[in-house]
Amino acid sequence: QVQLVESGGGVVQPGTSLRLSCAASGFIFSHYAMQWVRQAPGKGLEWVAAISGDGTNKYYADSVKGRFTISSDSSKNTLFLQMNSLRAEDTAVYFCARDTASVAARGGLIDYWGQGTLVTVSS
Amino acid sequence: DIQMTQSPSSLSASVGDRVTITCQANQDITNSLSWYQHKPGKAPNLLIYDASKLETGVPSRFTGSGYGTHFVFTISSLQPEDIATYYCQQYDHLPWTFGQGTKVEVK
Repeated sequence: QVQLVESGGGVVQPGTSLRLSCAASGFIFSHYAMQWVRQAPGKGLEWVAAISGDGTNKYYADSVKGRFTISSDSSKNTLFLQMNSLRAEDTAVYFCARDTASVAARGGLIDYWGQGTLVTVSS
Repeated sequence: DIQMTQSPSSLSASVGDRVTITCQANQDITNSLSWYQHKPGKAPNLLIYDASKLETGVPSRFTGSGYGTHFVFTISSLQPEDIATYYCQQYDHLPWTFGQGTKVEVK
């Protein structure tokens, strides 16, 4: 069965960096686009970034563009989110999610989610 | 960006009641709309996609309808296990956007 397990969350100071990982299993990783979605405390869901199954195309929300980088390693079935210049408003649970499409630009529909990892940005 | 306006933000209903949630897009998204159920501490769960198609394994008491800018999600007979927050999401245009969520509680 499809499993997505996030890791790498924690408490960090503003301006610092953090790298999230998502270990995927139960499907052919390179056949699916992948996404990161976050949920700030007491708030709704916010799409963060997406990457095509072959890793070539990447898309970002304006709120993270230039600070966050999505990447993937198909040999390890792992999705990453490198988060730099972190701000208090980046505090959230970050979910890894599988898109139903292989090309991110034609996707957007999520069929599987992980349980999330909490990132807290605070001084 | 496409704005998704979901209402109500919360509701309280009795077991067996019919529950309806609406989602309005500020521009045409054809049928590129999904509904998710999210329970605290758990992974969100896809219920409906393409506005009205039921995801495999999801109980038939969950239905969706609509096209263009107006969408409706219905639970025909609320069950205790349906207590959760429900979100609509459009995937017609990047950036993909979610509604604000509807928290469903049992009276």
